[in-house]
Amino acid sequence: GDSVTQMEGPVTLSEEAFLTINCTYTATGYPSLFWYVQYPGEGLQLLLKATKADDKGSNKGFEATYRKETTSFHLEKGSVQVSDSAVYFCALILRDTGTASKLTFGTGTRLQVTL
Amino acid sequence: KAGVTQTPRYLIKTRGQQVTLSCSPISGHRSVSWYQQTPGQGLQFLFEYFSETQRNKGNFPGRFSGRQFSNSRSEMNVSTLELGDSALYLCASSLIPGPVNYGYTFGSGTRLTVV
Repeated sequence: GDSVTQMEGPVTLSEEAFLTINCTYTATGYPSLFWYVQYPGEGLQLLLKATKADDKGSNKGFEATYRKETTSFHLEKGSVQVSDSAVYFCALILRDTGTASKLTFGTGTRLQVTL
Repeated sequence: KAGVTQTPRYLIKTRGQQVTLSCSPISGHRSVSWYQQTPGQGLQFLFEYFSETQRNKGNFPGRFSGRQFSNSRSEMNVSTLELGDSALYLCASSLIPGPVNYGYTFGSGTRLTVV
């Protein structure tokens, strides 16, 4: 079946450090890829997306590139802030399932940024 | 415009009872999906509704059910509650099913605790 694998957390960084959260996927079809962020006590917020190979999604300084050859969608940010502390989820949805669809999520990676 | 509204935010129930959770999607969105989030299993898909019809169902027992009304609002019901049903239940809405190009918008969730 379809699956998403994320690096284990927690990831602890100092403010202004470079962030990478790895995400790889296995899909029977052709997926669109997403990163969602969850702040404490909240639901999920869409951070960025990419719908085809080589697309780069970006938002709020975060970036991720859809790499079909390595089935990866790693999240990066050049300089993290304390306010980026949250749990990050990589997810996919298949494009070719007709009308039946669902998001498949990774296990989430907790990021803690300290001063 | 208003986001996805889930009520109630918090709920405490006793084993064996039943519970109904409500979700109002973004105005104009016609597809509603439900997800269960637990520390052990992560985010798991429950079901998806569109035009009052269940279009997709996850791997959950029959105690979990849902419905969608003509105004696109959705409810999910869990009967004969078990301790393992304690979770954050998230509702997500989209214009149409299978939003491969822009993902889903999530609500803040209902935190269900079964005692």
